Amino acid sequence: SQQGEEDPQALSIQEGENATMNCSYKTSINNLQWYRQNSGRGLVHLILIRSNEREKHSGRLRVTLDTSKKSSSLLITASRAADTASYFCATDYSGNTPLVFGKGTRLSVIA
Amino acid sequence: GAVVSQHPSWVICKSGTSVKIECRSLDFQATTMFWYRQFPKQSLMLMATSNEGSKATYEQGVEKDKFLINHASLTLSTLTVTSAHPEDSSFYICSARDPSSGYGYTFGSGTRLTVV
Repeated sequence: SQQGEEDPQALSIQEGENATMNCSYKTSINNLQWYRQNSGRGLVHLILIRSNEREKHSGRLRVTLDTSKKSSSLLITASRAADTASYFCATDYSGNTPLVFGKGTRLSVIA
Repeated sequence: GAVVSQHPSWVICKSGTSVKIECRSLDFQATTMFWYRQFPKQSLMLMATSNEGSKATYEQGVEKDKFLINHASLTLSTLTVTSAHPEDSSFYICSARDPSSGYGYTFGSGTRLTVV
């Protein structure tokens, strides 16, 4: 299955700073979702943005979607040490197809 | 929301043995279950799609005789890793589509397989 690209692969920031992660995908989508995964753990769904939406907020999270560029970004504001995790974008193409995950960004927030 | 229960959460087995991983949909019927594999510091890669009552569809490069998938009921899908080798050590996670949720997918908690 096709897999999108995410950058950066790894990001290290100080607590309180903002973290931005980017995701690109290859074909038209129904929606794009962002997930968090703590080391060795399962996935936590963060936010979904539909193909007809351009921006969405949830708490300290802000997601943008540019379908013309086939890209999305996740912004975490005022980061905390507890935000340390891997973050993945996942695209939903159509119907009963599986989610396709990007390669992920490993975020480290230093207290 | 919809819950998929995955067991075991971790397992250690010897080379050459088989391991079965179960995923149960607790409060909905999952006609389709997706199985992913994740190697350390990598992303989730789709292994196969299982459909209740029919044969699973495997992704290119995934050996169907090694990774046996059974989806005999609307609430249970199993993945059996046969003749496990150390290179099969990975994190396996299942996912099901649940149209009643806002984002349509729910994931099991994953199984950490270590083959020694």
